[in-house]
Amino acid sequence: KNQVEQSPQSLIILEGKNCTLQCNYTVSPFSNLRWYKQDTGRGPVSLTIMTFSENTKSNGRYTATLDADTKQSSLHITASQLSDSASYICVVSDYAGNNRKLIWGLGTSLAVNP
Amino acid sequence: DAGVIQSPRHEVTEMGQEVTLRCKPISGHNSLFWYRQTMMRGLELLIYFNNNVPIDDSGMPEDRFSAKMPNASFSTLKIQPSEPRDSAVYFCASSHERGSGYEQYFGPGTRLTVT
Repeated sequence: KNQVEQSPQSLIILEGKNCTLQCNYTVSPFSNLRWYKQDTGRGPVSLTIMTFSENTKSNGRYTATLDADTKQSSLHITASQLSDSASYICVVSDYAGNNRKLIWGLGTSLAVNP
Repeated sequence: DAGVIQSPRHEVTEMGQEVTLRCKPISGHNSLFWYRQTMMRGLELLIYFNNNVPIDDSGMPEDRFSAKMPNASFSTLKIQPSEPRDSAVYFCASSHERGSGYEQYFGPGTRLTVT
């Protein structure tokens, strides 16, 4: 069964600190992996999209890594800010070249405290 | 661009009533998705349209749910009759398939409460 599991479920850090969120998946065949940020009361917004051949992708202070062999991904947030408080969702596509079927994780809820 | 527009933003209704959620996708996008989000199950795809045609409705929970896309700029999701277990946040998303890295753009969602 295709699944996406994220850890930790929730995380609290102090402003300015770094953190890493984890994503393990069992989706096959694999097309791409995405990280979304969802602020409270809003829809998810894409941070990064990585295909099989990409190991690392950055978007400002966000850096995603992908190990297609172990089927693991991580999202690293550098120098966290209060605005980083949100849910971060890992999503894996199981259709090559097709975004119609996405397998969504339950997300990691991040709280950045002053 | 205004992004994906959804209405209403909040809906409170009594069990048994009909509920209609509305969505206007981003102009030029040819794929539209309806999702439901709950704490327990996360985001679940309900139905997907491509060029106004329903492609995959396997996520629609039961016959009480129906969706239409009469034209490229408008879609509705209807629940009739509504039940308390339908309470959730419903998102509409659109994408320009085969472009933008297959990225989906989400609306702000409709929070539905069925009492």
